[in-house]
Amino acid sequence: DAKTTQPTSMDCAEGRAANLPCNHSTISGNEYVYWYRQIHSQGPQYIIHGLKNNETNEMASLIITEDRKSSTLILPHATLRDTAVYYCIVRPIAYNDMRFGAGTRLTVKP
Amino acid sequence: EAGVTQFPSHSVIEKGQTVTLRCDPISGHDNLYWYRRVMGKEIKFLLHFVKESKQDESGMPNNRFLAERTGGTYSTLKVQPAELEDSGVYFCASSQDRGSAEAFFGQGTRLTVV
Repeated sequence: DAKTTQPTSMDCAEGRAANLPCNHSTISGNEYVYWYRQIHSQGPQYIIHGLKNNETNEMASLIITEDRKSSTLILPHATLRDTAVYYCIVRPIAYNDMRFGAGTRLTVKP
Repeated sequence: EAGVTQFPSHSVIEKGQTVTLRCDPISGHDNLYWYRRVMGKEIKFLLHFVKESKQDESGMPNNRFLAERTGGTYSTLKVQPAELEDSGVYFCASSQDRGSAEAFFGQGTRLTVV
């Protein structure tokens, strides 16, 4: 399995874009990039996923570099409720379960 | 559509007792997963069901943990006998049976063994 590297913590001002990086330099061609977040002690919440192309949904955008060795999750207008631990997960298409790392603790400040 | 539901939300038991956690996945989801987060640690995978069959139970910590999914619908995770180190939050997730399907998580059961 490819492993991911994320910064331990980040701050973002409310209303600004939050850009969360993830390095997955050993990713294989059949592996997807998933992003989840955990707000306080709630269950992890799915955000977005992608294989090669950039993806956008109502929550966020996912930018994957052309060589697929890194990606960035973008929350376009962060709010205080976006304060959470964000997990970048690389998962082979043949497997279904998610394997979590330490994630990035994002703090959105007023 | 109802999400993944877990019962109970909290459980406090004494060391040596038995506890059974339940998970109701999203209707139609063949894949069901159990995870655990011990305080201060990362979320760890426990096992994965495809319908009623155990696909991967490599994360189960020891034989005091027994997971079942009779009929391929809801699942139970029994801890018997419980030890202090079993305390943590147990999450269940489910997903559809397609390669890139995302998993949806329940709110978890917080287990405290005293």
